[in-house]
Amino acid sequence: DAMVIQNPRYQVTQFGKPVTLSCSQTLNHNVMYWYQQKSSQAPKLLFHYYDKDFNNEADTPDNFQSRRPNTSFCFLDIRSPGLGDAAMYLCATSRVTGAGTDTQYFGPGTRLTVL
Amino acid sequence: DQQVKQNSPSLSVQEGRISILNCDYTNSMFDYFLWYKKYPAEGPTFLISISSIKDKNEDGRFTVFLNKSAKHLSLHIVPSPPGDSAVYFCAASYSGSARQLTFGSGTQLTVLP
Repeated sequence: DAMVIQNPRYQVTQFGKPVTLSCSQTLNHNVMYWYQQKSSQAPKLLFHYYDKDFNNEADTPDNFQSRRPNTSFCFLDIRSPGLGDAAMYLCATSRVTGAGTDTQYFGPGTRLTVL
Repeated sequence: DQQVKQNSPSLSVQEGRISILNCDYTNSMFDYFLWYKKYPAEGPTFLISISSIKDKNEDGRFTVFLNKSAKHLSLHIVPSPPGDSAVYFCAASYSGSARQLTFGSGTQLTVLP
């Protein structure tokens, strides 16, 4: 089945130690998104890639970076995780055509714990 | 500034009855609305959507109603089995190159046996 895969599902890191979260998709969608979700809150968009074009949200901290080496993969890098960065990180994909944008499809998420 | 609001953090309904989840928005530029369902330890799963040119969309047990003048939408689920117990998120977007979604904070639906 075509899907959005996130690895690892659970990640534990130490305060200040860089961490990378991975997302891959078999849907061949041209847009990939990263969201942060804290408990009982709405998922918050951090940034997205439209093909190779990177689009950062205005309030996304510089501590968060992303890479998309090819259509299928997208990475979220947290350069110096703080305790406040502990959250669920959700990857999503969608397809943009001349007719508009299709629905976003989400991966299962990576739960990040910062010690 | 919450542009999409789900004012009920939780809702309980009896099995087999109708579940009605509500969502309000403030940004009049939103023209596309979606509902997602989320189980613990899983990502959100798309349920149903509606464009602002419609006021109702139906898909199986799910119906979404949109009241543009009130900036309000609702999701009706009928009937509701216990397996529908989950967090339901309302989301909105507007025409653009990538349709960034703005989510509400979710409503925990509990279907009681």
